[in-house]
Order: sequence, then C-alpha cells, then structure tokens
Amino acid sequence: EIQLVESGGGLVKPGGSLRLSCAASGFTFSYYAMNWVRQAPGKGLEWVSSIGSGSSPYRYYADSVRGRIAISRDNGQNSLYLQLDSLRAEDTAIYYCSKGDFLLANSLDDWGRGTLVTVSS
Amino acid sequence: QSVLTQPPSVSAAPGQRVTISCSGTFSNIGNNYVSWYRQFPGASPNLLIYDNDKRPSGIPDRFSASKSGTSATLDITGLQTGDEADYYCATWDTSLRGGVFGGGTKLTVL
Repeated sequence: EIQLVESGGGLVKPGGSLRLSCAASGFTFSYYAMNWVRQAPGKGLEWVSSIGSGSSPYRYYADSVRGRIAISRDNGQNSLYLQLDSLRAEDTAIYYCSKGDFLLANSLDDWGRGTLVTVSS
Repeated sequence: QSVLTQPPSVSAAPGQRVTISCSGTFSNIGNNYVSWYRQFPGASPNLLIYDNDKRPSGIPDRFSASKSGTSATLDITGLQTGDEADYYCATWDTSLRGGVFGGGTKLTVL
C-alpha cells in the first residue's frame, strides 16, 4: 500500500522558516517524480512545486513561492522535503505531498493527508 | 483567480447525471493531459481521472471524462449522495512552467 506521510507543519511568525517532510513507502520512491500542493483554509488546490526522479531531477516552482522555497528529495531515506523561507500570512495552508509526474504525465496519483502550516504573529 | 475555469457549484438529484466543465488555454489543456480529483470534506484529494479520460482502478464507470481543444468535462451518472464532494481539474501549463488547477466545483446531490 502506498503511503505518503507529511510532517513539519506548525505555527510560525511572518518571515520565519519551516521544513516540511514527506515519508514515502509502498513504492520505489527513486523512480517517481514528486510534488507539493497546498490548500489555504476554505480555498481550492494550488500547485506549489515538483521535483523529478533521477540523478539530476528537474525542479519547478509556482510563481507565488519562487525564491522563497526549495524542494528536495533523499532517495536513500524515501523522503521528500520542502524548505519554506520568508513565510507570509498567505502561505497559511495545508501542504500535501503527492506522487506522480505532473510535468510529463499531468496527474498526481497518490496524496498524503497533509500538514498544516499557519503563518501568524 | 485560477488558470483553469470551473463552475463553483453544480447540483442534481440522486440517480441523475451532472457535468462539470473545465476551461483553459492552448498552453495548458490544449497541449497536455487533463486529470480530475475528488475531495471529500476534511479529506485529501484523490485521483479520479488521468490522461483526459482514464479511470484508476477502483473508480466506477459512473465517472467519465473527455477533452476537446482547450476544454475538458467530467461526467457523473447515477448520482449518489456519497458523490457530494469538491471536484478539481488540473494539468501542466507549458507557458507558466508549472501545474495548474481549476478553482474547484462543489457537487451537491439534492
């Protein structure tokens, strides 16, 4: 069974940083592209970032977060990460980890339960 | 303002059929596959349709979808109260170099 378990969310002040993690199991993690999608309270889904598979994976970022976030992966640990810096109130959202090659296959096959990031003073 | 345009809400009676539209442009729907996601209240989204019209295993054939030009549609037949959820279309945007979602459509089964 494929499992994606996010962690690392919490309450942070504007301008602060957080590092989100996603622990993957039930599939060969290194073979698959991975993504982060967020959902602000009461709002729709927003794509945040994608990282490819392979030794030199591609990385793409949404305009709303480019320059403030970094996506990375550790295939040895079967883990996906999202470093969030210079956080703003509008970054408050549930952040979902998802498996799938959104760039090439245009779909997100599996999703985690999400981790809540709240940016507030 | 979402890149892909969906109606905010649709409704129909149990047993009836409903269609949810998703409108985009040449750089997104026009040039890439469309996927659809269902999200129940308080839950994470799950994949409903991929590659424009394919269903993952476990998704009943009451759910179907199609794409034509820069638009896509999701059809749900034989509506059940358990189908009440938010539905999202999504794809990659070649010009934006990123993923894009519709704003979501809330389905109410009256």
